[in-house]
Amino acid sequence: AQTVTQSQPEMSVQEAETVTLSCTYDTSESDYYLFWYKQPPSRQMILVIRQEAYKQQNATENRFSVNFQKAAKSFSLKISDSQLGDAAMYFCAYRSPNTGNQFYFGTGTSLTVIP
Amino acid sequence: KAGVTQTPRYLIKTRGQQVTLSCSPISGHRSVSWYQQTPGQGLQFLFEYFSETQRNKGNFPGRFSGRQFSNSRSEMNVSTLELGDSALYLCASSLKAGVTDTQYFGPGTRLTVL
Repeated sequence: AQTVTQSQPEMSVQEAETVTLSCTYDTSESDYYLFWYKQPPSRQMILVIRQEAYKQQNATENRFSVNFQKAAKSFSLKISDSQLGDAAMYFCAYRSPNTGNQFYFGTGTSLTVIP
Repeated sequence: KAGVTQTPRYLIKTRGQQVTLSCSPISGHRSVSWYQQTPGQGLQFLFEYFSETQRNKGNFPGRFSGRQFSNSRSEMNVSTLELGDSALYLCASSLKAGVTDTQYFGPGTRLTVL
């Protein structure tokens, strides 16, 4: 089965600073998608950003961007100009049509934003 | 447009009982997936339904079952509850069941088994 690893259980960042959350994954598939989901204390998971494996260009959504290194199987999330509302648990996830489209999630990184 | 709703939000049961959780997807969405979230195991995929058919199933015992109705609403049932079934159960809906379809999550049902 595919595995997704988030090696940083907790991270903190000063408000307005930049933070990078790490994620690595293991797969033999060539067609897959990677995601970052945010789960704030309210518990509702929200999609932050998505990356298609066939695209070389890194995805960007406003203050959120990824560094996708396909050969290294690495998919990190950079949050710029961190805001208090960014405090949440962040999950990296993998999905492939060859594995039934189900999500494989990492264990999550808890991000604290310090005012 | 209303988001994904899950009922009940909180549930307390005792070992051996059974429980049914409900998920109402976003209007127009035909795919519903279920996940179990625990501190120890993280987020694990339970099953996915599309147009009333189970398309995919995770590695869970047969005590976990589900179904989807013609209006796309889905229910998940857990029989003979065990202490280890205590978890947050999340439901997610998407327009179709494709890998590029964005899944929208509900707030979850917190199940506590005593």
